[in-house]
Amino acid sequence: KQEVTQIPAALSVPEGENLVLNCSFTDSAIYNLQWFRQDPGKGLTSLLLIQSSQREQTSGRLNASLDKSSGRSTLYIAASQPGDSATYLCAVRLNYGGSQGNLIFGKGTKLSVKP
Amino acid sequence: NAGVTQTPKFQVLKTGQSMTLQCAQDMNHNSMYWYRQDPGMGLRLIYYSASEGTTDKGEVPNGYNVSRLNKREFSLRLESAAPSQTSVYFCASSMGGVRNQPQHFGDGTRLSIL
Repeated sequence: KQEVTQIPAALSVPEGENLVLNCSFTDSAIYNLQWFRQDPGKGLTSLLLIQSSQREQTSGRLNASLDKSSGRSTLYIAASQPGDSATYLCAVRLNYGGSQGNLIFGKGTKLSVKP
Repeated sequence: NAGVTQTPKFQVLKTGQSMTLQCAQDMNHNSMYWYRQDPGMGLRLIYYSASEGTTDKGEVPNGYNVSRLNKREFSLRLESAAPSQTSVYFCASSMGGVRNQPQHFGDGTRLSIL
C-alpha cells in the first residue's frame, strides 16, 4: 500500500531564508506527484505537478524535484516571506487502479515564516 | 472565477440525522472527487466520479453515498450521521481523461456530529 510521508511536520524560519520541504513515498509506481498549499480554514491550492518522467518543475520562487527511484520529492522555497506561511501537502497519483487512479496525500508540513 | 463551490461551509448534526453536502464546479471538468480531512490522518478519498454518470468508491466509502447529478454537480450524502464522520469534507475536480491534470479543490465543509 502506498504511503506518503512528509518531514518535518512543522517548520519555523525567519523571513528571507531558503528552505526545503521533504516528501517520501513507498511505491515508485506513481503517475505524478503534486504539491499543494493549504491556508487555515481553506481548501487546497495546487502549486506544482511533476510527471513521473520529469525531474523538476519551477514556478516563481518554488522548485519541486522528483526522484522516483528513491521515492522522494522536495519543495524548495527561495527567499521565504511571511505570506508563505501555510501547510504544504504533497500527493502522489497512482499508476494503477483504473483510469483515474487516486491521490494519496501526506499529512503535510506546517510552515511558519517569521518577519 | 468561482472554481469549485461547496455548500454549506459549516454544519452541526445530531447522531442519526441525514444530510447532503453539495459541490459544483464551473470549469467544465469531467472528474470530481470527495475527500475527508482529519487531524493526524491527512486527506482520504471517499468517492470519485470519473465522468458524468459514473461513480466509484475510494479509500473510505462506508457510511456515505454520492450522486453525480450532472457534469457540474457531485453531492455527498450521509444517511445516518455518526460522530466518527465529524471531519472537514473537500470536493475537488479535474479535467479527467488525461491523468496529468491537477485537481482543484473547494474551501471545504466543516461538519460536526454530536
